[in-house]
Amino acid sequence: SQTIHQWPATLVQPVGSPLSLECTVEGTSNPNLYWYRQAAGRGLQLLFYSVGIGQISSEVPQNLSASRPQDRQFILSSKKLLLSDSGFYLCAWSKSGGRQETQYFGPGTRLLVL
Amino acid sequence: LAKTTQPISMDSYEGQEVNITCSHNNIATNDYITWYQQFPSQGPRFIIQGYKTKVTNEVASLFIPADRKSSTLSLPRVSLSDTAVYYCLVGLDSNYQLIWGAGTKLIIKP
Repeated sequence: SQTIHQWPATLVQPVGSPLSLECTVEGTSNPNLYWYRQAAGRGLQLLFYSVGIGQISSEVPQNLSASRPQDRQFILSSKKLLLSDSGFYLCAWSKSGGRQETQYFGPGTRLLVL
Repeated sequence: LAKTTQPISMDSYEGQEVNITCSHNNIATNDYITWYQQFPSQGPRFIIQGYKTKVTNEVASLFIPADRKSSTLSLPRVSLSDTAVYYCLVGLDSNYQLIWGAGTKLIIKP
């Protein structure tokens, strides 16, 4: 069966510090991978998606970047965090294919920037 | 510009059937409609997906009228544990966009 891991579960970082969140998927090959952000009490905002190693598409301009160094590894980064980067970050995977494929979400990372 | 619209919140009682409707006026021929459930501090979880007419699984039904400009998630005989936020998602195959609704907060009362 497939599993998706995210770490850390929670993170408190000062403004201006760097960020690295990691997501890994097990039990599948060549998945589509997604990074979402969810502000408190709000809906899901798609940040990045990837259909393969080194292939990253950004949905909205922001202070963040994403990388996919391996087939089942997706990393979300920032060089300098802003207060507005606080939120709940979710990684998801789906089978390769169209956007109708079911997405399976990880447990999330709660980031607080102070 | 494609957009999905759903009610911000709904209340119901245990044992009742709950229907949550999502409008997606600009849905295209090949686009699917998917519903997810999210509990606090967890990632969303897939509930059901459909393309047209009616789809039913062990937890819900999804009704999609012929014009496909809306869809209705139906939860039969809800319990307190169904209290969650429910998201409607339209996946646009035409341009690989994902259009998420803002979510409906469903509160089930005893």
